[in-house]
Amino acid sequence: NAGVTQTPKFRILKIGQSMTLQCAQDMNHNYMYWYRQDPGMGLKLIYYSVGAGITDKGEVPNGYNVSRSTTEDFPLRLELAAPSQTSVYFCASSYEGSGANVLTFGAGSRLTVL
Amino acid sequence: GNSVTQMEGPVTLSEEAFLTINCTYTATGYPSLFWYVQYPGEGLQLLLKATKADDKGSNKGFEATYRKETTSFHLEKGSVQVSDSAVYFCALSMYNQGGKLIFGQGTELSVKP
Repeated sequence: NAGVTQTPKFRILKIGQSMTLQCAQDMNHNYMYWYRQDPGMGLKLIYYSVGAGITDKGEVPNGYNVSRSTTEDFPLRLELAAPSQTSVYFCASSYEGSGANVLTFGAGSRLTVL
Repeated sequence: GNSVTQMEGPVTLSEEAFLTINCTYTATGYPSLFWYVQYPGEGLQLLLKATKADDKGSNKGFEATYRKETTSFHLEKGSVQVSDSAVYFCALSMYNQGGKLIFGQGTELSVKP
């Protein structure tokens, strides 16, 4: 059981380039999330999804896009990368969306924009 | 809005010392509260949680009690080990909000032998 798998683990981008961070889960979870982690700032929610075909913005969505065509996959797309998007990105999932649900996190993707 | 505030780190302790990491929250309503831990190079994983006032969450020797009167959820451990070195995140989640977690800024703990 792989859990939440993120690829790539590391990536360096030039300003203005685009890329997609992949996230896949094999636990049949309905809810999926993308967070970014900046030093001393905790984790901030970028986008989330409550099921296939449904996505919604989180706290910091600007510069990002997501899609959820299947239950398993939740890719995060960066268009026109900027240095402010240098961060560690975490994908997470949970079976349900009650206040008490526990999130399972991937190992993270470290992105540097130069 | 809803928010979580943690004590700043880094916190450096000797092995077998007592640990407290303070966490307070602001929320409109009654959140569930969580402590997640991030070991070096890994993603976050749940350490413990509490879903209502006066509940105590516990795991691996760590404990935290949900205190509504002081809006706090402080993390404690009686005797830390080198293997406890990690970053600890306090978080809250509101009912019927899609399971979204709101995190504190994280507290780095370093335990020396």
